[in-house]
Amino acid sequence: GENVEQHPSTLSVQEGDSAVIKCTYSDSASNYFPWYKQELGKGPQLIIDIRSNVGEKKDQRIAVTLNKTAKHFSLHITETQPEDSAVYFCAASMGNRDDKIIFGKGTRLHILP
Amino acid sequence: DGGITQSPKYLFRKEGQNVTLSCEQNLNHDAMYWYRQDPGQGLRLIYYSQIVNDFQKGDIAEGYSVSREKKESFPLTVTSAQKNPTAFYLCASSRRPLNTEAFFGQGTRLTVV
Repeated sequence: GENVEQHPSTLSVQEGDSAVIKCTYSDSASNYFPWYKQELGKGPQLIIDIRSNVGEKKDQRIAVTLNKTAKHFSLHITETQPEDSAVYFCAASMGNRDDKIIFGKGTRLHILP
Repeated sequence: DGGITQSPKYLFRKEGQNVTLSCEQNLNHDAMYWYRQDPGQGLRLIYYSQIVNDFQKGDIAEGYSVSREKKESFPLTVTSAQKNPTAFYLCASSRRPLNTEAFFGQGTRLTVV
């Protein structure tokens, strides 16, 4: 089955700098790669997603890149702000009959003042 | 407002007792999921259901049971067979095919004493 690896597990960046979180997946049939942000005591919320027919997607300060050949995808946050501090999860799914979403183990992002 | 609701937010139970966590959605989603979250473990899939009256085991189904009698509801029972039930439990739902956004509830923190 699908396996998603996420790195790093913890990341500290100075406010205003950029943060990058990387994920790899194992099943080449996966075609949907969402990123979720989880604030303390709450459920995760989708912040950006990318499909396998696209190499990059951007939404204001957040961007995601996908390399299908290498089976990895990354989240980029530019001009980080205190409210970006949270746990971020990457995920992968295939959208087929045996549907399920497989998540990475998460990255705790700390934005330092 | 459309959304997914988990209740209760906090739950305390004595060891050896079964307990049922509620998850209701009014998003008209076919697929529903239960995840368990432990520190450093990410989101681990317990059970998922793609359609009413059908569900599949996830990666850590032992000691848990579910039912899907209605499209809107997917309750999770933590049985006395679950060796370490204290955790944060998250329910999610999505449309089918799966490669679309999953919406999460706010979670239930279960503490077994």
